[in-house]
Amino acid sequence: NAGVTQTPKFRILKIGQSMTLQCTQDMNHNYMYWYRQDPGMGLKLIYYSVGAGITDKGEVPNGYNVSRSTTEDFPLRLELAAPSQTSVYFCASTRGGVNTEAFFGQGTRLTVV
Amino acid sequence: AQTVTQSQPEMSVQEAETVTLSCTYDTSESDYYLFWYKQPPSRQMILVIRQEAYKQQNATENRFSVNFQKAAKSFSLKISDSQLGDAAMYFCAYGASYDKVIFGPGTSLSVIP
Repeated sequence: NAGVTQTPKFRILKIGQSMTLQCTQDMNHNYMYWYRQDPGMGLKLIYYSVGAGITDKGEVPNGYNVSRSTTEDFPLRLELAAPSQTSVYFCASTRGGVNTEAFFGQGTRLTVV
Repeated sequence: AQTVTQSQPEMSVQEAETVTLSCTYDTSESDYYLFWYKQPPSRQMILVIRQEAYKQQNATENRFSVNFQKAAKSFSLKISDSQLGDAAMYFCAYGASYDKVIFGPGTSLSVIP
């Protein structure tokens, strides 16, 4: 089973550029999440979705957008990239809500220069 | 707001010995879930152990066990018979409302042969 797949694994962006981080899961999970991981800061929730067509902001949503048109896909869009968005991004999914195990992708290391 | 604190940024343990990682959290909820996740150098996040707050019995998974003190809002992870493969970042996480999980900053565990 593929589980949660994120692409790309690495990316360098110039300030002001835009990009989309892709996330796909094949477990038919309703809940999907985007986190960013900064050194010494743990994982911060950017956006989450409890099902197709439903998204909501997490702790640090500014500078990002998401959509959830299908159960499988949950892309994260960065508009006007800034150095503060340099981070490792993780997509995750759960079958139910917070009481079930989260399955993570392998992360995307993004550098904004 | 809910917060998760891990006061030990780095820990080390001798192979075959036992180590305890600390975690405290702040919440006004009575029903919630607590998790320990492991992140090896590969960046893949893996669930180690899970505890339901309404259960008084501490969760155990093979060499991993927790000491859950609800009144003190403490959730420590004990790793027995430490192995080289246990070297990783360990994140404590908390989930209460049905849709979000909050992560602590992590503890980096080194295992000395």
